[in-house]
Amino acid sequence: DAGVTQSPTHLIKTRGQQVTLRCSPKSGHDTVSWYQQALGQGPQFIFQYYEEEERQRGNFPDRFSGHQFPNYSSELNVNALLLGDSALYLCASSLKRVRTGELFFGEGSRLTVL
Amino acid sequence: EDKVVQSPLSLVVHEGDTVTLNCSYEVTNFRSLLWYKQEKKAPTFLFMLTSSGIEKKSGRLSSILDKKELFSILNITATQTGDSAVYLCAVEETSGSRLTFGEGTQLTVNP
Repeated sequence: DAGVTQSPTHLIKTRGQQVTLRCSPKSGHDTVSWYQQALGQGPQFIFQYYEEEERQRGNFPDRFSGHQFPNYSSELNVNALLLGDSALYLCASSLKRVRTGELFFGEGSRLTVL
Repeated sequence: EDKVVQSPLSLVVHEGDTVTLNCSYEVTNFRSLLWYKQEKKAPTFLFMLTSSGIEKKSGRLSSILDKKELFSILNITATQTGDSAVYLCAVEETSGSRLTFGEGTQLTVNP
C-alpha cells in the first residue's frame, strides 16, 4: 500500500521563477492538503483540495495556487518566488467521509530559493 | 486567529528519563487535538484527543487533554535514543481537517 508520495524531493530556484510540486495521496484517500514548513517552525496550512476544488485556504497570497486531478493527485504552484518561500512543502492526504484530523504526510519537497 | 503554543521548544535528556511536553491552544471551533512525531521530514501520527480527561496510551507514550484549561500534555517514559525527534501538536477545527500546528518541541535523547 503506497503512502503519500511527493516529487521532486529537492529543488533550487531563483527569485522570480515559478515552481510546481506534485503529490500522490495514499491509496483510497480523496482529500489532499498542502503545508509549508519553514526551518524550525511547525507546518502552516496552505490549502485543501477535495473533488478537484479548493475547499479551504490558509493565509497565503494568490501566488500560491493548486490543482487536484480526477485520480486525486495534486499540484502546488508557486509563482514569482521570493527568498521567504524557501521551505519544506508537505502534502497530506485523508479520506473526507472519515472526518478525522489524522493526516498522512509525504516526505516533502525541499525548496530553496536563491 | 487560532493559536497553538508548545513548550519547551527544545529539551535534552538522557536515556531512561521521563519527559513531559506541553501544548496550549486557542481555537474558535475546537474539534480535536493531535500529536505528531517528525524525525526527518514526514510527520507521523501519534494520538488524536477529543475528550477531556481520557488518557490515550501507546507503549511508552501517553497523552491527555484538558478542554477546560485548553491544554494537552504528551508523556514519554523510559526514553530511548530513537525518541529523538520534533514533536508537533496541532488542533483541528470543526470545519474540517485543516490543522493549526505549534512550533514543535525538539527532543534529544542522549545515550
